[in-house]
Amino acid sequence: GAGVSQSPSNKVTEKGKDVELRCDPISGHTALYWYRQSLGQGLEFLIYFQGNSAPDKSGLPSDRFSAERTGGSVSTLTIQRTQQEDSAVYLCASSLSRDRDGTGSGNTIYFGEGSWLTVV
Amino acid sequence: AQSVTQLGSHVSVSEGALVLLRCNYSSSVPPYLFWYVQYPNQGLQLLLKYTTGATLVKGINGFEAEFKKSETSFHLTKPSAHMSDAAEYFCAVRKGYGGATNKLIFGTGTLLAVQP
Repeated sequence: GAGVSQSPSNKVTEKGKDVELRCDPISGHTALYWYRQSLGQGLEFLIYFQGNSAPDKSGLPSDRFSAERTGGSVSTLTIQRTQQEDSAVYLCASSLSRDRDGTGSGNTIYFGEGSWLTVV
Repeated sequence: AQSVTQLGSHVSVSEGALVLLRCNYSSSVPPYLFWYVQYPNQGLQLLLKYTTGATLVKGINGFEAEFKKSETSFHLTKPSAHMSDAAEYFCAVRKGYGGATNKLIFGTGTLLAVQP
């Protein structure tokens, strides 16, 4: 497809279970981001992948959260031993890495529609 | 470090009235600034962005924003609100260089309601 694709769109899980959320970025985009959107909390940065560079994991809230990106394309965000406070919308986004100024900072970041996670 | 403050978590305007959504940023280096819109049950969509050049930026759906360095602001405006503008709006900042570790930092959002 033309946009960022995320699955599942909705997930209800029991407290203590592990969940995996998948993101398929726009073809050709080497930068991939995960954000979390909680009610009243805005958008919280989680992790950022750029090509083959080491990911920026500075936003992961605990060691229960991890993410990988295989082959520079699809990414999976894993939450182990889920807690109720993990309930949120998890948004994936992607962008081109470089633009005319050479940094990629001005490139548009395109977002998927999110994976709605509910921990009961 | 970069940060964004959006004043007013909820804004209500009448159809046809001016829309003004406020955003102030903090950045130790020249920033790139963005406004995103999120319609109910949808992902985020870019409205407009400022990188370099003209400080008045025009976006989609009649929105525009002006980068004012002296005021560290990037307020979003639209002359005449339409019912379809009802959505949540997010301001975001990014360092204007260093793309390799360059995350987008969002404000907490402003929910815009448009009254008939």
